[in-house]
Amino acid sequence: ETGVTQSPTHLIKTRGQQVTLRCSSQSGHNTVSWYQQALGQGPQFIFQYYREEENGRGNFPPRFSGLQFPNYSSELNVNALELDDSALYLCASSSERSGGGGSYEQYFGPGTRLTVT
Amino acid sequence: QKEVEQNSGPLSVPEGAIASLNCTYSDRGSQSFFWYRQYSGKSPELIMFIYSNGDKEDGRFTAQLNKASQYVSLLIRDSQPSDSATYLCASRDNYGQNFVFGPGTRLSVLP
Repeated sequence: ETGVTQSPTHLIKTRGQQVTLRCSSQSGHNTVSWYQQALGQGPQFIFQYYREEENGRGNFPPRFSGLQFPNYSSELNVNALELDDSALYLCASSSERSGGGGSYEQYFGPGTRLTVT
Repeated sequence: QKEVEQNSGPLSVPEGAIASLNCTYSDRGSQSFFWYRQYSGKSPELIMFIYSNGDKEDGRFTAQLNKASQYVSLLIRDSQPSDSATYLCASRDNYGQNFVFGPGTRLSVLP
């Protein structure tokens, strides 16, 4: 158990709908990163939030957006869902310092399995 | 495009043998490297990380890093059937924003 929690566990949505996924970071961690993992592939970096600000973004369109709250929990929002958005969405928490050089390790939550029909 | 490459496998080894998993990376700015284990239907679990050239040992696991060759490996000694999983290699730079995963190598330990 990493102490990182995600909700919901599973979700089924229809193409064109919007979805919000939630993540609570491990105690003492100030950074949350979100990943998309398609079946049979490695996780793909979506974005990272550090102290409530987006701190880096992967190659995902603007319809993927996020938030981080003062307690360091985070949300991932996806608008206008497409069939290809079906995947396991993972959040990972870590403890970072401004300017880099943080503890480096990221610990994953159990993930949210999103199915778009 | 920053990439991490791994042989997708499956890599099959008999119980008790040494399993050797390999990974190469393209970004010379990568500073630290991670090995995660992922069981089917589960999320990745951190095994160990390494950021200095050479070997790092933790129990049955040894990570090896060669920055000149841009090569990372994970050795699992005395492999057990419970080690059967997909092993993900990941790299990141010093600012933590570029965390790049490989596609994973599927390991099967045969009893």
